[in-house]
Amino acid sequence: NAGVTQTPKFRVLKTGQSMTLLCAQDMNHEYMYWYRQDPGMGLRLIHYSVGEGTTAKGEVPDGYNVSRLKKQNFLLGLESAAPSQTSVYFCASSRDSSMVQYFGPGTRLTVT
Amino acid sequence: QQQVKQSPQSLIVQKGGISIINCAYENTAFDYFPWYQQFPGKGPALLIAIRPDVSEKKEGRFTISFNKSAKQFSLHIMDSQPGDSATYFCAASRPNSGGSNYKLTFGKGTLLTVNP
Repeated sequence: NAGVTQTPKFRVLKTGQSMTLLCAQDMNHEYMYWYRQDPGMGLRLIHYSVGEGTTAKGEVPDGYNVSRLKKQNFLLGLESAAPSQTSVYFCASSRDSSMVQYFGPGTRLTVT
Repeated sequence: QQQVKQSPQSLIVQKGGISIINCAYENTAFDYFPWYQQFPGKGPALLIAIRPDVSEKKEGRFTISFNKSAKQFSLHIMDSQPGDSATYFCAASRPNSGGSNYKLTFGKGTLLTVNP
């Protein structure tokens, strides 16, 4: 099992450009999450999904959109990137309300 | 409003010493308290977790102490080793209206360095 994988690992964008981050899990988990990690800020929840076809806003959703068309994939989109979105993005998944979240290796995004 | 406050921001311990990281919360509805460990360049991974019906949970060298009345919980690492050097995050979760917990609120993290 690969667990949770994220694509790409690194990306540099110019202000105003768009991109999509892909998260995939092979554990048949129902719940999936997108977090951003900034120095001194911990992990902050952007959006999450409790099942295929569902999404919900987290703590810091502005400037991001998500989609969960397939159970194993959770996409995070930036329509018009801003320097404030420079961060490391982590995807996670969990089976159910067991609460153990399994994290991917992260995507380092720089917006210039 | 920061719902889970973690301290210290950084901690340096000598090999063999005890590392202690503290967290405090406000929301009494929280009922699940995990600790995650993150090595540089990696994603966080669950280390140990506790529910408020017990005051302590131990797994190897790692112990969570929980004080429900004070709304505080802490991670103790006994006999700290250089390989324990990582960032540690406490977190908390509460059930939603359907009775499920699935959203974690994280503390800001503690960078632990264990010197050889």
